[in-house]
Amino acid sequence: EPEVTQTPSHQVTQMGQEVILRCVPISNHLYFYWYRQILGQKVEFLVSFYNNEISEKSEIFDDQFSVERPDGSNFTLKIRSTKLEDSAMYFCASSGDREIYGYTFGSGTRLTVV
Amino acid sequence: SQQGEEDPQALSIQEGENATMNCSYKTSINNLQWYRQNSGRGLVHLILIRSNEREKHSGRLRVTLDTSKKSSSLLITASRAADTASYFCALSNFGNEKLTFGTGTRLTIIP
Repeated sequence: EPEVTQTPSHQVTQMGQEVILRCVPISNHLYFYWYRQILGQKVEFLVSFYNNEISEKSEIFDDQFSVERPDGSNFTLKIRSTKLEDSAMYFCASSGDREIYGYTFGSGTRLTVV
Repeated sequence: SQQGEEDPQALSIQEGENATMNCSYKTSINNLQWYRQNSGRGLVHLILIRSNEREKHSGRLRVTLDTSKKSSSLLITASRAADTASYFCALSNFGNEKLTFGTGTRLTIIP
């Protein structure tokens, strides 16, 4: 069964550093998303991406964050100048016909900012 | 803001019993989805029910939706130890892309 692949599974970074979280969505999907889950809290929407541009973003997704689809397969989330409160599990998701099949999530990247 | 509220927050049952989890929400939805999350892992899509549907089945899962009461339930029949996980409802509203997740029900199946 097709999967959404995320790398790395765990990343530790120093406060103030930049990190890039990587995702390979399912190949024939057109819609891409990033969500995050702070430990013990609910899953929160960050951004959606369609047709090579951001289609929607949340209040969390400020200038510190950016997304990119650098080629036909990868989808990245860049977090600049990381803060302690950015520590969370970050999930990438993709969907084809989301009205029928919902979303396929990756296994997540656990980001720890120290 | 729109989000689902699941209840109960935690549920422990014996293996073989049925488990029922509920989700309530506040505003109109396009569809409602249920996801499972094993501890520290990703979210697995279980089932999607549209606003014009009342009931859907998938294997041992049965989902109902009552738009007049703004609530949904997820029933897992003949539970197994492997069903131990957190279960989330997620709401899709008209006109926007995002899913809004609820707070989840932590289900524990006792062998």
